[in-house]
Amino acid sequence: EVQVVESGGGLVQPGGSLRLSCAASGFTLSSYWINWVRQAPGKGLVWVSRIDPDGSSTIYADSVKGRFTVSRDNAKNTVYLQMNSLGAEDTAVYYCARQARDEPLECWGQGTLVTVSS
Amino acid sequence: EIVLTQSPGTLSLSPGERATLSCRASQSVINNFLAWYQQKPGQAPRLLIYGASSRATGIPDRFSGSGSGTDFTLTISRLEPEDFAVYYCQQYGSSPLTFGEGAKVEIK
Repeated sequence: EVQVVESGGGLVQPGGSLRLSCAASGFTLSSYWINWVRQAPGKGLVWVSRIDPDGSSTIYADSVKGRFTVSRDNAKNTVYLQMNSLGAEDTAVYYCARQARDEPLECWGQGTLVTVSS
Repeated sequence: EIVLTQSPGTLSLSPGERATLSCRASQSVINNFLAWYQQKPGQAPRLLIYGASSRATGIPDRFSGSGSGTDFTLTISRLEPEDFAVYYCQQYGSSPLTFGEGAKVEIK
């Protein structure tokens, strides 16, 4: 079965850090872009970041640029989102979703909840 | 960045009725790379439509997409009980990817 599974969420204090993982199974991760999308409680979907298949190119939303870093280990079939200097505004469910070239986000994980609070 | 504006924000309809959701882009969507997703409470989004009008695998034919350039529409021909949810449009033709704010289809 083709799927991606997020993990690593939890409660973190303001200013803290967290690393999320997106583990792929049932397909070859190295053939796909991986996007991170977040959703604050009761709010809509917001795109956060994307990494290309070989990891040579990454892009970020302005709201996380300089604080978040996306990386991947294709040998482990896993993509990571390192989140630093977290604030309350980063509280959200974080989804990873795979994307083929010129295709939509067609395989989503179940999400992992990040709560930033003291 | 391309801003997507969805309307109406909430649609109150009965099962069996037709739902028409609009998505307007602030500039032309490259190659009409416009997708629609459905999201139910506590669940991840599910791809319905891509390329403005192509149904994703396994999506019933009561869902259809149309439009081009800056104006797009998602139509649900006859609402089933499981169709009451939030719907998002998204453009994937240019970076950054952007989503509309969502439109809720609720039971009247």
